[in-house]
Amino acid sequence: ELKVEQNPLFLSMQEGKNYTIYCNYSTTSDRLYWYRQDPGKSLESLFVLLSNGAVKQEGRLMASLDTKARLSTLHITAAVHDLSATYFCAASNNAGNMLTFGGGTRLMVKP
Amino acid sequence: DAGITQSPRYKITETGRQVTLMCHQTWSHSYMFWYRQDLGHGLRLIYYSAAADITDKGEVPDGYVVSRSKTENFPLTLESATRSQTSVYFCASSEYSQPQHFGDGTRLSIL
Repeated sequence: ELKVEQNPLFLSMQEGKNYTIYCNYSTTSDRLYWYRQDPGKSLESLFVLLSNGAVKQEGRLMASLDTKARLSTLHITAAVHDLSATYFCAASNNAGNMLTFGGGTRLMVKP
Repeated sequence: DAGITQSPRYKITETGRQVTLMCHQTWSHSYMFWYRQDLGHGLRLIYYSAAADITDKGEVPDGYVVSRSKTENFPLTLESATRSQTSVYFCASSEYSQPQHFGDGTRLSIL
């Protein structure tokens, strides 16, 4: 059974600082997704990571995947208030379409 | 506009009642999903469908029924609602191996 764990669950950081969110998954997965959710809103797809060593970047967010360690990271560079949200990682099963989500990391960026 | 629409956005009902949550997508995606989101549990998959007339159980299917007679619609029915089914429900759709696109959610309260 595929299990996904994120840490930390809650992260409060100052604007301008860097930090990393970690996502571990328990069994082989063929792709890893990162989503963002604003309070009371839907989930928005950020990144899809397909292979070992994959790195994707969008603005101040960079995601990477290490399939050997079963670990993905979401790195935040020079955080700004607009990045405040809950971030979820999700791993797909090897059939490719069912997702198992981590518990989410609630990020608060303080001015 | 193309998209995925859930209705109603908010619903209050009583224990023992039947309630149906609707989901409609205009992309003609093959896959559709129902999740529930609860504090401390992230998103958990209830049911999914790979095509019209093909549905399968997810992680937490008990107490729920789905159908998919048309590609674009994927209703979720709680046959006899219980308080433990109070949650936010998200519908999503995707093509194979593509990111899932989420609806805006239905906030369901069962009294």
